[in-house]
Amino acid sequence: AQKITQTQPGMFVQEKEAVTLDCTYDTSDQSYGLFWYKQPSSGEMIFLIYQGSYDEQNATEGRYSLNFQKARKSANLVISASQLGDSAMYFCAMRESLEYGNKLVFGAGTILRVKS
Amino acid sequence: DAGITQSPRHKVTETGTPVTLRCHQTENHRYMYWYRQDPGHGLRLIHYSYGVKDTDKGEVSDGYSVSRSKTEDFLLTLESATSSQTSVYFCAISGINSPLHFGNGTRLTVT
Repeated sequence: AQKITQTQPGMFVQEKEAVTLDCTYDTSDQSYGLFWYKQPSSGEMIFLIYQGSYDEQNATEGRYSLNFQKARKSANLVISASQLGDSAMYFCAMRESLEYGNKLVFGAGTILRVKS
Repeated sequence: DAGITQSPRHKVTETGTPVTLRCHQTENHRYMYWYRQDPGHGLRLIHYSYGVKDTDKGEVSDGYSVSRSKTEDFLLTLESATSSQTSVYFCAISGINSPLHFGNGTRLTVT
């Protein structure tokens, strides 16, 4: 079963506007973590933001915020004030219980293109 | 940047030959991972290690083996390379309950 689903293969956003990248997950664990990574065209994987399942506040890191809706099992990434440098592939990932070895399961990714 | 180095960065090999990719870290992290990235699949876990000589299989482990004889090195071996193993391979490291930090990847082409 797909554990992480990113339904948007590609997205466009106008520079300086906000954009939301969707991510839904599937787990029966009570304790889990959700991550977002950015992969620019140069290929490296850059960690952006983390949300723990018990965190009551949505995570924020600069222009990135994670809209965590536990009941809906969604963990959408919101990028505010988009910049040209935000054009990249974005991956949502989940870590289930630590007894499974701190592994991450990734979604298929969303390509974001920022237009000037 | 997390101290993680993958080698080689690029490799072209022929079907049926063995191939070894190396991942080296300077962070003394417990966990090390090998993922492969293919279009439409995101990153899929091949094998991971939770300590020296402690390894386990991931989602797509068939045709791959790993070894970790030292904390800092994690080797991925393709026993007999096939065209389906053409991919970009990423090594990652992490501490307990912390994000994974990735190397720059190895682009492997099997002809």
